[in-house]
Order: sequence, then structure tokens, then C-alpha cells
Amino acid sequence: DAGITQSPRHKVTETGTPVTLRCHQTENHRYMYWYRQDPGHGLRLIHYSYGVKDTDKGEVSDGYSVSRSKTEDFLLTLESATSSQTSVYFCAITPNGESYNEQFFGPGTRLTVL
Amino acid sequence: AQSVTQLDSQVPVFEEAPVELRCNYSSSVSVYLFWYVQYPNQGLQLLLKYLSGSTLVKGINGFEAEFNKSQTSFHLRKPSVHISDTAEYFCAALKAAGNKLTFGGGTRVLVKP
Repeated sequence: DAGITQSPRHKVTETGTPVTLRCHQTENHRYMYWYRQDPGHGLRLIHYSYGVKDTDKGEVSDGYSVSRSKTEDFLLTLESATSSQTSVYFCAITPNGESYNEQFFGPGTRLTVL
Repeated sequence: AQSVTQLDSQVPVFEEAPVELRCNYSSSVSVYLFWYVQYPNQGLQLLLKYLSGSTLVKGINGFEAEFNKSQTSFHLRKPSVHISDTAEYFCAALKAAGNKLTFGGGTRVLVKP
């Protein structure tokens, strides 16, 4: 898992509540990513970060925000969770120095929105 | 826009038989190609990657893939599967100058005894 931890690993919440997922890495990697995994869709990029306070949108960013106030943590927030955001969320990093942007993935967070 | 298509959503196969998982990509620029494996209730693990050079790429666990530029394909093969190869497999593409991976929809491989 390339030194990536995600918390929580499982969460059940109700529609309309805010939820924050945390991705933590210990090796000062510059690039970090959040994906969601849904059956038949593979993984889709939500947001990514290329440094502290530097973030950009992916293909499915609506309803999600991110923050990166320090190198090791990349937070994903659902401001008001909806049932369509029930999914498995994966964090990934690109190791520093890699020229081809290979990505390594964390263990995932399973989120259920009731 | 870049896209990746995995032509089979499920592939049942008997133990010790060969398997091929098909992947096609569309891109007008050079791409890097990857195959990842996801075992049940786990994250994604890189099987192999094509960056440049030889079109036949060998990966872990006896898997290999062949890059075919004219057919825009990157099919994954294993000559003899084991029960432990039961997993979901994802093909992914990355533009050579970019940092956003595009994934296919995944292929579930079920190896039967």
C-alpha cells in the first residue's frame, strides 16, 4: 500500500450529513489523488493534489471538496452526503521522482449513505 | 477525451487453463498503459505496465500483456491460472505528459477448480 493509510475504513452515514475521509502518507509524496470505485465504472478520479494547497478537479468532482494543508494529509469532504455517493473511495499517490506518474493505492474506505 | 474499454465484464475460467483479458484504449497522444489487480476486499496492486520499448510486457504472478499500437489494445494474458488469480482486473491509461489515470470498467475473473 506504499505507506498510505485511509481513515475511516468503513463508514455508514445518513443523507444530508457531512463526511470527511482522510488519506495519510508518510513519505512526502507531492501528488495525491482521490478516486471512487463503482461496479462497471472502474475507478474515477474525483480530485487530485500536486502540493500543499494545490488541488484540481477530476471527472466526478461534483458534491466533493478537498483540502491539503500539509503534505502528508489529503482530505476528501462530502458537504452533504447523498445516496449516490455510496461507494468505495481510494486514495493514491505518485512517488516523487517518477517520470511516468505510476500510482500506488491505499486500502480504501467503504462509505454507505442511507 | 481519453477512454479505456474492457470488453468483458466477467470471465469464468477453469484452473490451469489460459486466460486473456481484453483492453482497448482511445487516445490521440502517446499513452502509458497499466494493468492492476484487486483481490476481494483489498486495494489495487500493479500487475504490469507499458511505458515504451518492447511491446510484450511481463508482470508479476506470471501475467504478461502485449501493446498493439495499430489496434490500440493492451490485452492481458496468463497461460495457466490458479484459484488465487480470482480477482478483478483493471486496465488503465495515462497520457504521457499527464497525471490523470483513466480506468476501464474492470473484468472479474473467477477461476473454477
